[in-house]
Amino acid sequence: EAQVTQNPRYLITVTGKKLTVTCSQNMNHEYMSWYRQDPGLGLRQIYYSMNVEVTDKGDVPEGYKVSRKEKRNFPLILESPSPNQTSLYFCASSFTTSGGIYNEQFFGPGTRLTVL
Amino acid sequence: GENVEQHPSTLSVQEGDSAVIKCTYSDSASNYFPWYKQELGKRPQLIIDIRSNVGEKKDQRIAVTLNKTAKHFSLHITETQPEDSAVYFCVSGQAGTALIFGKGTTLSVSS
Repeated sequence: EAQVTQNPRYLITVTGKKLTVTCSQNMNHEYMSWYRQDPGLGLRQIYYSMNVEVTDKGDVPEGYKVSRKEKRNFPLILESPSPNQTSLYFCASSFTTSGGIYNEQFFGPGTRLTVL
Repeated sequence: GENVEQHPSTLSVQEGDSAVIKCTYSDSASNYFPWYKQELGKRPQLIIDIRSNVGEKKDQRIAVTLNKTAKHFSLHITETQPEDSAVYFCVSGQAGTALIFGKGTTLSVSS
């Protein structure tokens, strides 16, 4: 089954304790992205990757790191989480056609993170 | 930075009525405009998209219009049904750059 998976789905942690949220897709998509969703603010892009070893900052990259060593995986790293990073996080992936042209994004199920 | 304004933030209609959601974008280079629907507790899903070389696109009860000169695009839902109740997001972007989402419109369709 074609899908985007995220782990963990729920996480409660404390300020400063490094964490990684994994994202994996089995559709051979070039493009992957991370978003955070907060009430009243919609979806905001954190980082995106057009292909392996290529990553770029989105709207709200501060406090986050990403890497794209393999096509299927795009982990989100919070080196020193703070309470303002409490949010619902979505990973997404899509095909891109020649020149990086976007197509439909497929979203993962979401990870609800609480930082105390 | 680039911005997408989406209006209204909430919209309540009676079943069978039409619903219109409008978005304005700031980057004139944007050329891809998808719309996503997010039902309560679920992930966003694409419902329709339009590219800058097209002015209008329809898919059954859903249509999107694009005015590149005015830098705005709209989602039209006709004959609304209770299952259309959800949050709708407009998005603006261009090849290889960040995608910018609007803040969302909560549509409620009452029967």
